[in-house]
Amino acid sequence: DAKTTQPPSMDCAEGRAANLPCNHSTISGNEYVYWYRQIHSQGPQYIIHGLKNNETNEMASLIITEDRKSSTLILPHATLRDTAVYYCIVSPPETSGSRLTFGEGTQLTVNP
Amino acid sequence: KAGVTQTPRYLIKTRGQQVTLSCSPISGHRSVSWYQQTPGQGLQFLFEYFSETQRNKGNFPGRFSGRQFSNSRSEMNVSTLELGDSALYLCASSPYLRGTSGSHNEQFFGPGTRLTVL
Repeated sequence: DAKTTQPPSMDCAEGRAANLPCNHSTISGNEYVYWYRQIHSQGPQYIIHGLKNNETNEMASLIITEDRKSSTLILPHATLRDTAVYYCIVSPPETSGSRLTFGEGTQLTVNP
Repeated sequence: KAGVTQTPRYLIKTRGQQVTLSCSPISGHRSVSWYQQTPGQGLQFLFEYFSETQRNKGNFPGRFSGRQFSNSRSEMNVSTLELGDSALYLCASSPYLRGTSGSHNEQFFGPGTRLTVL
């Protein structure tokens, strides 16, 4: 699976948009970008995934660059409950998550 | 629909003992995966079970084992506990085994069991 690079930590003010970057310069053509998050003392939670088009769901938006070498997860209106470690993962779809490799992720802290 | 449940939530054992952790997947989910999470190593895949058979295995010693029952509930066992086994053990369920659904198989994680080995 392709390796990803994320900043170790970020801060965001409550109510503002949180933009979490991820570099995946070695991504292969069939690999998707997945985002999970883990709130302290809980299991990881799926957020969103995409291949090359931008994606949006009720939780977040995913912006993938045209060359697919990087992406940004956007939480449009961050709340205190969004404080968590956010993991960016690239993997072929057939992996089904069982062998998703979670790196160190980004610790997002939403401040009041 | 109830989420993935894991029992117990917290456990303290001593070196050399063995431990059994339990996971109940979301109703209708047939795939159960286990992960170990430690501050130094991050989240590491242990194994995946589907239809009572182990289908995938991570790079862990034989002291780590598991099984799945006909109702898809799963247990994992760690024998001869070592201090380094202290970790958060996470269980995740999915509707399908990888590669069989043709879709993106989102995993649903439980809250985990915090194991401390003294």
